[in-house]
Amino acid sequence: EDKVVQSPLSLVVHEGDTVTLNCSYEVTNFRSLLWYKQEKKAPTFLFMLTSSGIEKKSGRLSSILDKKELFSILNITATQTGDSAVYLCALKTSYDKVIFGPGTSLSVIP
Amino acid sequence: DGGITQSPKYLFRKEGQNVTLSCEQNLNHDAMYWYRQDPGQGLRLIYYSQIVNDFQKGDIAEGYSVSREKKESFPLTVTSAQKNPTAFYLCASSIRGQGAAQETQYFGPGTRLLVL
Repeated sequence: EDKVVQSPLSLVVHEGDTVTLNCSYEVTNFRSLLWYKQEKKAPTFLFMLTSSGIEKKSGRLSSILDKKELFSILNITATQTGDSAVYLCALKTSYDKVIFGPGTSLSVIP
Repeated sequence: DGGITQSPKYLFRKEGQNVTLSCEQNLNHDAMYWYRQDPGQGLRLIYYSQIVNDFQKGDIAEGYSVSREKKESFPLTVTSAQKNPTAFYLCASSIRGQGAAQETQYFGPGTRLLVL
């Protein structure tokens, strides 16, 4: 059965801290791993990863995939209060099925 | 403007009633998805469709039904068999193919369903 697990489920940090969010998975017919940020309503896309060991970066956010160990991490450096959100990890299969993990709720306090 | 729309924004259902949530996209996407989100939880896949006239069950399809008669539309019916339908429902679409743009899902604004 295809499965996505995220940890921690919730996290509280102070502004300026660096955080690492984890995503592990079991899936047949892997095609890509996706990270989303969800604040109030619909998730917004952050990264897509398909190859092991290649870091994707966008400002203070970065992500990397390990297809051998079946996990990905999302790093946020110098956190700001605007980073407070739920971060969702998702897997897309070769058959276009997309399944999500439970999310990590991040709270950044001043 | 291209995008994906859902209606209504809020929907109230009485016990034993079927209700239908609308999802329309004008992005020319082949694949469409329905997810359910409960408070404090991630998205759970209800149904998805890769092409017109075809759809697949997700992880929590029981009590729900869908149709895909047109590429642009993927309505979700919450039947009376779904005993705990109160949740936030999100519709998404994506291109079929490979590459960053193709893998991204575009989400609608969501419909919040409440049972009276």
